[in-house]
Amino acid sequence: KQEVTQIPAALSVPEGENLVLNCSFTDSAIYNLQWFRQDPGKGLTSLLLIQSSQREQTSGRLNASLDKSSGRSTLYIAASQPGDSATYLCAVKSGGSYIPTFGRGTSLIVHP
Amino acid sequence: GAGVSQSPSNKVTEKGKDVELRCDPISGHTALYWYRQSLGQGLEFLIYFQGNSAPDKSGLPSDRFSAERTGGSVSTLTIQRTQQEDSAVYLCASSLAPSADTQYFGPGTRLTVL
Repeated sequence: KQEVTQIPAALSVPEGENLVLNCSFTDSAIYNLQWFRQDPGKGLTSLLLIQSSQREQTSGRLNASLDKSSGRSTLYIAASQPGDSATYLCAVKSGGSYIPTFGRGTSLIVHP
Repeated sequence: GAGVSQSPSNKVTEKGKDVELRCDPISGHTALYWYRQSLGQGLEFLIYFQGNSAPDKSGLPSDRFSAERTGGSVSTLTIQRTQQEDSAVYLCASSLAPSADTQYFGPGTRLTVL
C-alpha cells in the first residue's frame, strides 16, 4: 500500500526566501505525482504534474522534481511571497491503481 | 471552459436526515472522484467513477453512503441518516482519463451535521 509523507507539516518564512517542500512515498512504481495548493476554505488547485518518466516540471517560480528510485519529490518555491501562503499537498498515483494517495500537506505561511 | 462545480457550497442538516451533494465535472472528463476532508485530516478517498460505472467504491465509510453518475457527467453523493461524524468538506475532482492526467478539483461542499 502506497504511503505518502510530507515534511515539514508547517513552515513559516519571511517574504523573499527560497524554500523547499518535501514529499516522500514508499512504492516507487508510480504513474505520476501531482502537487496542489489549497487555500483556506477552498478546493485544491493543481500546480504541477510530473509523469513517472519525467525528472522535473517548472511553472513560473515553482519547480518540482521527482526521484522515483529514492521515493522523493521536492517542490521548490523561489522568492516566496505572502500570496504563496497556503497548504501544499502532493498526491501519488501508483501503478495498478487510478486512485491517488495524498500526503497530509505542508502548511506554509510567508510573512511580509 | 468552466471548471468543476459543486453544490451546495454549504449544507447544514440535522442528525438523521438524508443529504445529496452534487458534482458537475469538466465537460469530457471521464474520470470522477469523491473525497472527504475532515478538520485537521488529510484527503480521504470515497469513490471513483469511470464513465457511469464505479470500479472502486472501497472508500465509502458505511452503507449510508452511496453515489451515482448519470450520462457520464453529473454525479450525486448521497448520505442517509447523517451522523455528526459525517461533518466534513466533500470534494469532487475530475480528470480527462483515469491514469496519468491532472485532477481538477471543485470548491467543495461543507457539510455540518447538528
